[in-house]
Amino acid sequence: KAGVTQTPRYLIKTRGQQVTLSCSPISGHRSVSWYQQTPGQGLQFLFEYFSETQRNKGNFPGRFSGRQFSNSRSEMNVSTLELGDSALYLCASSLGTQNTGELFFGEGSRLTVL
Amino acid sequence: DQQVKQNSPSLSVQEGRISILNCDYTNSMFDYFLWYKKYPAEGPTFLISISSIKDKNEDGRFTVFLNKSAKHLSLHIVPSQPGDSAVYFCAARGNSGNTPLVFGKGTRLSVIA
Repeated sequence: KAGVTQTPRYLIKTRGQQVTLSCSPISGHRSVSWYQQTPGQGLQFLFEYFSETQRNKGNFPGRFSGRQFSNSRSEMNVSTLELGDSALYLCASSLGTQNTGELFFGEGSRLTVL
Repeated sequence: DQQVKQNSPSLSVQEGRISILNCDYTNSMFDYFLWYKKYPAEGPTFLISISSIKDKNEDGRFTVFLNKSAKHLSLHIVPSQPGDSAVYFCAARGNSGNTPLVFGKGTRLSVIA
């Protein structure tokens, strides 16, 4: 069973640009969550999508957005990039139907903003 | 405000000894707790979990203890092995519907041979 796949793995952008990251969940998983990991801040929750609807949202500015497609694949977009957006962006999938379900993470997309 | 706190950024332990990683939480609505392990350049992987109806859960060398009154949980690794060297994240989830997992900042464990 294939795991969570994130693309691209690494990317470099400059301030003011925008970026789109992609995530393909484990087959059969309907929930996709996005987290930002920065040094010293741990994993901070961005948002969660379930059956193409945003179900939960973290405390990030509106420059951060996402969507989910009918095949459960998800994308997140960051517009008007700032230096502080440099981070590892992690996608995680789950069945999404049980509160005790674990999340399965991808390897992440490392974004560097210059 | 951080709802899940891992106050030790790093921990060094000798191979064969016990590693104890601690985690505190502030939200009394949390009722399910997980530990994840993360190696560099990889995503976090699930290690062990515990529900609030239990106070202990064991899986091989890994045991998680939950003290609800103190809002504290700990992960014990016995015996510690060099391959256990990684960053460990504590995570918690509330009981109201499908709430997101809230993570701590992580503890970097180094097991010295």
